[in-house]
Amino acid sequence: AQKITQTQPGMFVQEKEAVTLDCTYDTSDPSYGLFWYKQPSSGEMIFLIYQGSYDQQNATEGRYSLNFQKARKSANLVISASQLGDSAMYFCAMRGGNTGTASKLTFGTGTRLQVTL
Amino acid sequence: NAGVTQTPKFQVLKTGQSMTLQCAQDMNHEYMSWYRQDPGMGLRLIHYSVGAGITDQGEVPNGYNVSRSTTEDFPLRLLSAAPSQTSVYFCASRTHYEQYFGPGTRLTVT
Repeated sequence: AQKITQTQPGMFVQEKEAVTLDCTYDTSDPSYGLFWYKQPSSGEMIFLIYQGSYDQQNATEGRYSLNFQKARKSANLVISASQLGDSAMYFCAMRGGNTGTASKLTFGTGTRLQVTL
Repeated sequence: NAGVTQTPKFQVLKTGQSMTLQCAQDMNHEYMSWYRQDPGMGLRLIHYSVGAGITDQGEVPNGYNVSRSTTEDFPLRLLSAAPSQTSVYFCASRTHYEQYFGPGTRLTVT
């Protein structure tokens, strides 16, 4: 079974500072994908970044980077230079690599990030 | 591209009523899925499809039916609504690297 754990229910960060949102995962699949999504108060799910388990380098997308530590089974999201518009709920998710697990995302419970002035 | 569209945006049902949540995508994705989001629980998979004519159950399938007659459409049917099905429902379609979500349907069952 796949499992995603996000241990930080809420985080605060000052504008322009960097923040790390934690995510650990568990799976028996040899290959898998890790995702981060942002959900603002308006409710839509916005894809941020993807990391494949065999990718040699950490994924980056603009101000977002994924700190992937395979041995520790962690996939932390780093947001640099936080902006007020980054205030939202953030979800970590995983997709497995086998036939039974490749079609579905397993989500964590989310971290609510609040950016302050 | 419209991406993933869902209708309706909001719905109130009485216990025992049935209804269909509509989902469509115009990206020619083979994979589509339905999730529900409850407070404090993240998103949980209800049903998914790997192509037209092929569907399978996810984590919480009871009380829901799906069918996939075309690549574009993936409707979710509530057979007999119950208050436990009050939730926000998201439809999604994906490539290998990205999963695109619809805007969601907020369903209340009284």
